[in-house]
Amino acid sequence: ETGVTQTPRHLVMGMTNKKSLKCEQHLGHNAMYWYKQSAKKPLELMFVYSLEERVENNSVPSRFSPECPNSSHLFLHLHTLQPEDSALYLCASSQAIFPPTYNEQFFGPGTRLTVL
Amino acid sequence: GENVEQHPSTLSVQEGDSAVIKCTYSDSASNYFPWYKQELGKGPQLIIDIRSNVGEKKDQRIAVTLNKTAKHFSLHITETQPEDSAVYFCAASMRGGADGLTFGKGTHLIIQP
Repeated sequence: ETGVTQTPRHLVMGMTNKKSLKCEQHLGHNAMYWYKQSAKKPLELMFVYSLEERVENNSVPSRFSPECPNSSHLFLHLHTLQPEDSALYLCASSQAIFPPTYNEQFFGPGTRLTVL
Repeated sequence: GENVEQHPSTLSVQEGDSAVIKCTYSDSASNYFPWYKQELGKGPQLIIDIRSNVGEKKDQRIAVTLNKTAKHFSLHITETQPEDSAVYFCAASMRGGADGLTFGKGTHLIIQP
């Protein structure tokens, strides 16, 4: 166990559904990340939250909406997804220190999302 | 932005032999280079990392080398064992990883008994 949990582990949804992915870290970290892992692409960074504020949004479509209510929890709200959004969605956390030093990112097990 | 290339995509070695995975990066400002191992059904797990002020780092059977001039870094696994079979990812980052990591496409390492 890495100290980062994700629920649900598997999710199947239709294109008109609305669902949310949840991530929780028990490591006392202050930065959290969402990554997308597709079959034929590298792990792609989607969102970064540091001290509960979003600091990165890598041109992710608006059908993905992140939320970070506190430093331990991170959500990814999904709506009107496309079949090509099917992937493994990974959450990670780290202790982001300013000025930055070198911060190991701890990953959760991921949510396997299938969009029909 | 940063771009990381990783080779090979698949590597099969005999148990007990060594395995080498190579990565190149594009942004000379990158200063943090972690390696992750991902087993089936699990998230990536850090196995070793190296910082831009270091040329080589070793941890038991695993070593990583960094050539800043050529912008490439490599993972070396010696005396491979069946439990080393997994997908390995290299990554690069500026600001020590605080802003997130840019990953390579991964190498599927297969250890033949």
